[in-house]
Amino acid sequence: EDKVVQSPLSLVVHEGDTVTLNCSYEVTNFRSLLWYKQEKKAPTFLFMLTSSGIEKKSGRLSSILDKKELSSILNITATQTGDSAIYLCAVDRFQGGSEKLVFGKGTKLTVNP
Amino acid sequence: IAGITQAPTSQILAAGRRMTLRCTQDMRHNAMYWYRQDLGLGLRLIHYSNTAGTTGKGEVPDGYSVSRANTDDFPLTLASAVPSQTSVYFCASSDDRGTTQYFGPGTRLLVL
Repeated sequence: EDKVVQSPLSLVVHEGDTVTLNCSYEVTNFRSLLWYKQEKKAPTFLFMLTSSGIEKKSGRLSSILDKKELSSILNITATQTGDSAIYLCAVDRFQGGSEKLVFGKGTKLTVNP
Repeated sequence: IAGITQAPTSQILAAGRRMTLRCTQDMRHNAMYWYRQDLGLGLRLIHYSNTAGTTGKGEVPDGYSVSRANTDDFPLTLASAVPSQTSVYFCASSDDRGTTQYFGPGTRLLVL
C-alpha cells in the first residue's frame, strides 16, 4: 500500500529558529515529490522534486530529495510567524493514465514571536 | 475568474439530503480531482478525471459521484449525505504535464 509519512506531526519554535521537516515515502510508480503549505484554506504549492540530490530553494525555504532513502526534507531558516502553517508532503505516482498524489498527514509548524 | 473556484464555501446539511459541491477552473487543465481533508487523516482522493468525459475512483469513493461534462467543471455529488461525510472538500486540477496540482479554496461541509 502506498504511504507517505511526515515527521514531526507538530513543531513549536521561536522566530529566528531553523527547522527541518521530514517526509518519507513508499509508493509504486514514483514520479515526483511535492511540498505544500496550508494556512487557513487551500494548500499552496512550494516545491516539486524529481531528481535526487538537487536542492530547490525559494527564499528561506529549501528542499531536497533522496531517492535512495525514499525521503525528502524541507528546511526553513530564520523562521517568521508567517511561516506558521501545516506543511504537506505529497508523492505523485502515475497510475491508470493519470498522476495521483498521495499525501502525508502534514507537519503543523507554529512559530512564536 | 482565475484559477479554481468552489461553491458553496460552507454548508450545513441534514443527513439523507442530496448535495452537489461545485468546482470550476479556467486554466484549461485536463485533469481534475476531489479530495477530502479530515483531522488526523490528511488529504484523501475521492474521485478524479483525466479529461472531459472520463472519471475514476480514488481512495475513498463510496457515497460520492462525479461527472465531467466539460473541461472546466467537475461537480461532486453526495446522493444521501451521512455524518461521516462531514469534512473539508478540496477540488484540484493539473495540466497535461502533470507537474503540479492547484487547489481550490475548499468547501466546509457539516452533515447533521
